[in-house]
Amino acid sequence: AQSVTQLGSHVSVSEGALVLLRCNYSSSVPPYLFWYVQYPNQGLQLLLKYTTGATLVKGINGFEAEFKKSETSFHLTKPSAHMSDAAEYFCAVSDLGNTDKLIFGTGTRLQVFP
Amino acid sequence: GAGVSQSPRYKVAKRGQDVALRCDPISGHVSLFWYQQALGQGPEFLTYFQNEAQLDKSGLPSDRFFAERPEGSVSTLKIQRTQQEDSAVYLCASSADRTGADEQYFGPGTRLTVT
Repeated sequence: AQSVTQLGSHVSVSEGALVLLRCNYSSSVPPYLFWYVQYPNQGLQLLLKYTTGATLVKGINGFEAEFKKSETSFHLTKPSAHMSDAAEYFCAVSDLGNTDKLIFGTGTRLQVFP
Repeated sequence: GAGVSQSPRYKVAKRGQDVALRCDPISGHVSLFWYQQALGQGPEFLTYFQNEAQLDKSGLPSDRFFAERPEGSVSTLKIQRTQQEDSAVYLCASSADRTGADEQYFGPGTRLTVT
């Protein structure tokens, strides 16, 4: 069965600093991996996804993530944080072959200080 | 084009009441998912429809939870005899096709508070 672990429920960075949000997965098959962002009182918005092909995936708002099979990781990064990046971030894996539902991590709240 | 919409956005129910939560997916989307998000947690799968067929209801926490999508578009999640532990945000998502690679588009959610 697939699962996702997000290390660090809260991450704080200064505006302009590097953002690194960690995600490790467990999957018995090659995974499809996703990062979603959730702003207060809103639904989830897809930042980026990895299915096959290039392991470095670029998403919206300057975010990117790298699929590392050897480390079973899919960490999310952004070179320079902006105040508007403050939100909750969820890593998810698709439960392939079983309705393809998403299995989410517990989330990481990103705070950005001026 | 409109995204996924959900109504009501907020619902307060007294314990023991029945509630119905509505989801309007993106037009033409085949797949529809319901998730439950407890405070401070990630969303957890409840049930899945492919058109009008409910193919997976393994995540429904009890037989008090019931979902339907009779015409393959709008879906309703019904909770009977609500309990305090049912308090959560209920998210609906739709996707164009049944592939694990396809993006799921989420609605804003319905925040249910059971008092």
